[in-house]
Amino acid sequence: QITLKESGPTLVKPTQTLTLTCTFSGFSLSTSKVGVGWVRQPPGKALEWLALIYWDADKRYSPSLKRRLTITKDTSKNQVVLTMTNMDPVDTATYYCAHHGRGFDYWGQGTLVTVSS
Amino acid sequence: QSVLTQPPSASGTPGQRVTISCSGSSSNIGSNTINWYQQLPGTAPKLLIYYNNQRPSGVPDRFSGSKSGTSASLAISGLQSEDEADYYCAAWDDSLNGWVFGGGTKLTVL
Repeated sequence: QITLKESGPTLVKPTQTLTLTCTFSGFSLSTSKVGVGWVRQPPGKALEWLALIYWDADKRYSPSLKRRLTITKDTSKNQVVLTMTNMDPVDTATYYCAHHGRGFDYWGQGTLVTVSS
Repeated sequence: QSVLTQPPSASGTPGQRVTISCSGSSSNIGSNTINWYQQLPGTAPKLLIYYNNQRPSGVPDRFSGSKSGTSASLAISGLQSEDEADYYCAAWDDSLNGWVFGGGTKLTVL
């Protein structure tokens, strides 16, 4: 059974750096073709893909956010970490991590991050 | 503005068949498979269709997907009240080298 759970701050101030951790179980990020990605959703708005890291440490980023994002993995801890710099109120959203196999096929419950001073 | 275009809303009565469209381009739908996600109110998205027309285990066969050229469709037959949700299409985009989502379609069961 594949499960994922996001953790991190619920409130960050403008200009701060956000660090989110995705802790997963039921699969290994050392298995060929497997990945973990991040998707966010501002309140009442659509899904937006952010980043993806593959089993071989290959990384992909949303072109519009690439300069602000870093995704890393710790295979031994079954964790993937996403950092986003220079947070702004428009970055207020629910952030989801998801297992990437047949696309994003298993999702975490999401964590709401509010950016406000 | 989303790379993939979906109608913002759709509706139907119980038992009806409804379709939701998703329009893209040669760099995404035209050259890669499409996935569909269902998001019930207050919950995380759930994979509904993958590889254009494949259903994960547990997804009823009332849900079906198709693709033609740079467009795709999700069909829901025998509409039920519990199908009321937001539906998103998604595809890999070769030009952007990443995933793109549609703007979502809110399905209302009248």
